[in-house]
Amino acid sequence: GNSVTQMEGPVTLSEEAFLTINCTYTATGYPSLFWYVQYPGEGLQLLLKATKADDKGSNKGFEATYRKETTSFHLEKGSVQVSDSAVYFCALSDWNKFYFGSGTKLNVKP
Amino acid sequence: DTGVSQDPRHKITKRGQNVTFRCDPISEHNRLYWYRQTLGQGPEFLTYFQNEAQLEKSRLLSDRFSAERPKGSFSTLEIQRTEQGDSAMYLCASSSEATGSYGYTFGSGTRLTVV
Repeated sequence: GNSVTQMEGPVTLSEEAFLTINCTYTATGYPSLFWYVQYPGEGLQLLLKATKADDKGSNKGFEATYRKETTSFHLEKGSVQVSDSAVYFCALSDWNKFYFGSGTKLNVKP
Repeated sequence: DTGVSQDPRHKITKRGQNVTFRCDPISEHNRLYWYRQTLGQGPEFLTYFQNEAQLEKSRLLSDRFSAERPKGSFSTLEIQRTEQGDSAMYLCASSSEATGSYGYTFGSGTRLTVV
């Protein structure tokens, strides 16, 4: 079946630090991979996506590369800001519905 | 376009009571989805509609849960005889058949607390 595993949080970083949030997946077929972000009291917002192996998704300084050989889609950012504090969800989709990881809370301190 | 709207934002109910939530999708989207998110977890798929037809239901959707989309526009999710385990955030999302998961837009959710 389809499932996503991501690193547990919370992750606490100082401003301008490098961020990595690990995500691995199990899937039947050829899913698309996504990162969503959820700010307190808000809904899910799409951060980036990748549709096939070796694709790199990027947005707002965040990047993730679809690695089929390691079944991974790790999220990275070179320099985090306080405003990046949120919960990040890795997800895969079979075109229709999503399978989400359990989320990783990121706290960025000034 | 105001995005996906969910009402109410918060609902507190006593165990055993019935509750109903509403979702208004983006007007040109013909697909509508319901997810449930419990504390500290990612959202889990419950059900989805294409137009007015309910095409898939998760096994998470027990007999106490029912969802409708009578005219292919807004949708309602009803929970009968609520239990404390139903406490969660209920998220609605919409997309078009053409864009599928690439065009998902999520609402802000309805947070249900069963006391």
